Amino acid sequence: EVQLVESGGDLVQPGRSLRVSCSTSGFPFGDYVMTWFRQAPGKGLEWVGFIRTKGYGGTTEYAASVKGRFSISREDSKSIAYLQMNNLKTEDTAVYYCSRGRGYCSSTNCFPYYFDYWGQGTLVTVSS
Amino acid sequence: DIQMTQSPSSLSASVGDRVTITCRASQVISNSLAWYQQKPGKAPKLLLYTASKLESGVPSRFSGSGSGTDYTLTINNLQPEDFATYYCQQYFSIPPYTFGQGTKLDIK
Repeated sequence: EVQLVESGGDLVQPGRSLRVSCSTSGFPFGDYVMTWFRQAPGKGLEWVGFIRTKGYGGTTEYAASVKGRFSISREDSKSIAYLQMNNLKTEDTAVYYCSRGRGYCSSTNCFPYYFDYWGQGTLVTVSS
Repeated sequence: DIQMTQSPSSLSASVGDRVTITCRASQVISNSLAWYQQKPGKAPKLLLYTASKLESGVPSRFSGSGSGTDYTLTINNLQPEDFATYYCQQYFSIPPYTFGQGTKLDIK
């Protein structure tokens, strides 16, 4: 059974940092692009970023709203993806979801298209 | 970035009804569209991809159609468990991945 479990959400002050984790099981983690989304309270879904597999250099892509502040990494030996959030702002308050993507990989690049498994989310609250 | 607009934003229906939700993209997305269902406090669930392909395990009362910029999600014979919020998501021009604002379906 495929499972994704986020952890690490917390109440943090503006300007501080936080790392959330996504522990997975039930599928070959190293073969999948892992993606983070967020959902502010009462709002819709927003893509945050993703990390490609090691076969594609483990490279990352980010939404403009978080680029330069957030970074995604992966630890394939433990089947865990991480979202490091620096210089947090009040507008980063949201439930953060990790997900497994299905998409297309060529010889030179790899993009998830849609997302078939999601974790239950972890709440990050940024407030003084 | 491609903007996705869903209509209506909310919808009331009864068990057994047929409902249709529309998603319009700001440019042609060539069927690169997924639909998700989200219940309160839960993660989104993939229903359809490539506009009309049903994800494994999703009941056949869910269907999708469309082309170009306009797409629809249809739910036939609404069941109590179908009352939720529905989102469309484009993957034609990525990143970024963009979603519609959601359509909340509740019980009349």
